[in-house]
Amino acid sequence: KNEVEQSPQNLTAQEGEFITINCSYSVGISALHWLQQHPGGGIVSLFMLSSGKKKHGRLIATINIQEKHSSLHITASHPRDSAVYICAVRSPRGGADGLTFGKGTHLIIQP
Amino acid sequence: GAVVSQHPSWVICKSGTSVKIECRSLDFQATTMFWYRQFPKQSLMLMATSNEGSKATYEQGVEKDKFLINHASLTLSTLTVTSAHPEDSSFYICSARDYEKLFFGSGTQLSVL
Repeated sequence: KNEVEQSPQNLTAQEGEFITINCSYSVGISALHWLQQHPGGGIVSLFMLSSGKKKHGRLIATINIQEKHSSLHITASHPRDSAVYICAVRSPRGGADGLTFGKGTHLIIQP
Repeated sequence: GAVVSQHPSWVICKSGTSVKIECRSLDFQATTMFWYRQFPKQSLMLMATSNEGSKATYEQGVEKDKFLINHASLTLSTLTVTSAHPEDSSFYICSARDYEKLFFGSGTQLSVL
């Protein structure tokens, strides 16, 4: 069983829909990152969370440490939000970089 | 904000040649950088940790003679894929940490013919 599980693996939605991507993990963590990987491959860090909730524009990230679960929400989704969203947790069991990555959620927003 | 620049974005080479990929931190000093490999629809896989002024540390199963890493300055790390073979074809991406924030390069798609 992977230590970081994301769901869904693939998601196609219509422009304007509210999007939720989930991340569950099985280890104790010090932080959780949400990353966005564009079709060209470049990766941008969206959020780093250790508790509670963060908001940036149309993006909201929440984490429940007790439940070992985090969600990334996109409000009023737009085709430019189409990307792969990756959850990564920072823990002592991570690699030398301290991170364990999920496989990503491939999101397509259709106009 | 901090930026990590990676070049080239893509490279096609013949089998047996060597390919160098550069990763630069543009407005912060990175004593440590990380190199990852990613296969289609798979997670990022850490290959090695690049340490400024000292030898890189490699993850288990990664051949250090195949993937040469040099981190000669606080802003530049290079990954050289030596004697590349088709099985080395992959997406390679670097990252650096500025305090708690992660910054990634734009990645390099390597295709070995």
